[in-house]
Amino acid sequence: GAGVSQTPSNKVTEKGKYVELRCDPISGHTALYWYRQSLGQGPEFLIYFQGTGAADDSGLPNDRFFAVRPEGSVSTLKIQRTERGDSAVYLCASSLNAARGNTIYFGEGSWLTVV
Amino acid sequence: QKEVEQNSGPLSVPEGAIASLNCTYSDRGSQSFFWYRQYSGKSPELIMSIYSNGDKEDGRFTAQLNKASQYVSLLIRDSQPSDSATYLCAVPRGGFQKLVFGTGTRLLVSP
Repeated sequence: GAGVSQTPSNKVTEKGKYVELRCDPISGHTALYWYRQSLGQGPEFLIYFQGTGAADDSGLPNDRFFAVRPEGSVSTLKIQRTERGDSAVYLCASSLNAARGNTIYFGEGSWLTVV
Repeated sequence: QKEVEQNSGPLSVPEGAIASLNCTYSDRGSQSFFWYRQYSGKSPELIMSIYSNGDKEDGRFTAQLNKASQYVSLLIRDSQPSDSATYLCAVPRGGFQKLVFGTGTRLLVSP
């Protein structure tokens, strides 16, 4: 597609449930990022992939969060045992690669509400 | 001290005026700086990047960087109502991949 595509655009789930959020980056982009944005805050880094491997997962808040990118394209962010505090917009982004000067393009986000 | 600090605003300016948005950062070793615009309910969009001290102009936008004082600013000339959005300042940490964002400044341009 023309841009970063994320599904679902909105997800309401009950506390304790498992959630998967999907990201399809811009074609040809090898670097993929996940950020989380809470209301009134800037995006917060979660994890970054270069190809299939997670090059930096230092932003994942705890072991309930996990992300994969098995074929170096589509990525899935997985959240186990969701908590109300997980409610936020989960933004996926991609860039041609991770070198300086390459623009990072964001998707429209997946709005997660945990009730 | 937060790594990237911005006044949350709102900053209100009349149409046609210059809007000045400011950002300070804590890591003196930072080399790259970015301004993103985010409309309500939409994703952040990169509008300016700056790497060297001084000014960088792109259309109605000018980014200004002062590494000695650790601040970066964004000027929007001839502000339009369509410029009303939240402007996010971002600085890479630990490489070019991990951006640290400020909380953003909400700009309101009134007709």
